[in-house]
Amino acid sequence: GQQLNQSPQSMFIQEGEDVSMNCTSSSIFNTWLWYKQDPGEGPVLLIALYKAGELTSNGRLTAQFGITRKDSFLNISASIPSDVGIYFCAGQWAGANSKLTFGKGITLSVRP
Amino acid sequence: SQTIHQWPATLVQPVGSPLSLECTVEGTSNPNLYWYRQAAGRGLQLLFYSVGIGQISSEVPQNLSASRPQDRQFILSSKKLLLSDSGFYLCACTKGTSGTRTDTQYFGPGTRLTVL
Repeated sequence: GQQLNQSPQSMFIQEGEDVSMNCTSSSIFNTWLWYKQDPGEGPVLLIALYKAGELTSNGRLTAQFGITRKDSFLNISASIPSDVGIYFCAGQWAGANSKLTFGKGITLSVRP
Repeated sequence: SQTIHQWPATLVQPVGSPLSLECTVEGTSNPNLYWYRQAAGRGLQLLFYSVGIGQISSEVPQNLSASRPQDRQFILSSKKLLLSDSGFYLCACTKGTSGTRTDTQYFGPGTRLTVL
């Protein structure tokens, strides 16, 4: 079946630094989504990407839909302590009843 | 915009006891609804999804069942809980078909289930 690869499992950065996370797939997707999950809460949608090559920003976050449709990346600039959490990528096929395939997530820690 | 409610927020149940978790959605109509389980420190596993009342698709064989008695209500159940059923259960929905972007999934706050 489809799998999304996110690595490393954990990242540790200094407050103020930029960080980039990649997500790769063995299959193509029509939609890429990035979510953030705080402890004990449900994931919150950060950015949705709908077209190959699309580059979208949401404040300090920037995400891109890879040209091959098999990858996506998320950049966080000038990190702050509240950026701490688990970041999930998810891919979706059009017409698949909107089912998503999730990566295993990257846990981000920000040192003040 | 849609709002997803999940009840209860936390639950501790003995092995062998029944389970009923509820998810209700506001602010949209005819949504697709999803149940996920997240084990500690792990990713999200899709358990069930529903495209309409009474329509349930199961993604993985398991000890759980799902029902959708109303358009915006999704129930996760078990007759006898197992230790392995412990986890964080998340309900998600897509916007109704009236939206221009029907694909994006939004998540509820989750239910923490501990089976002892």
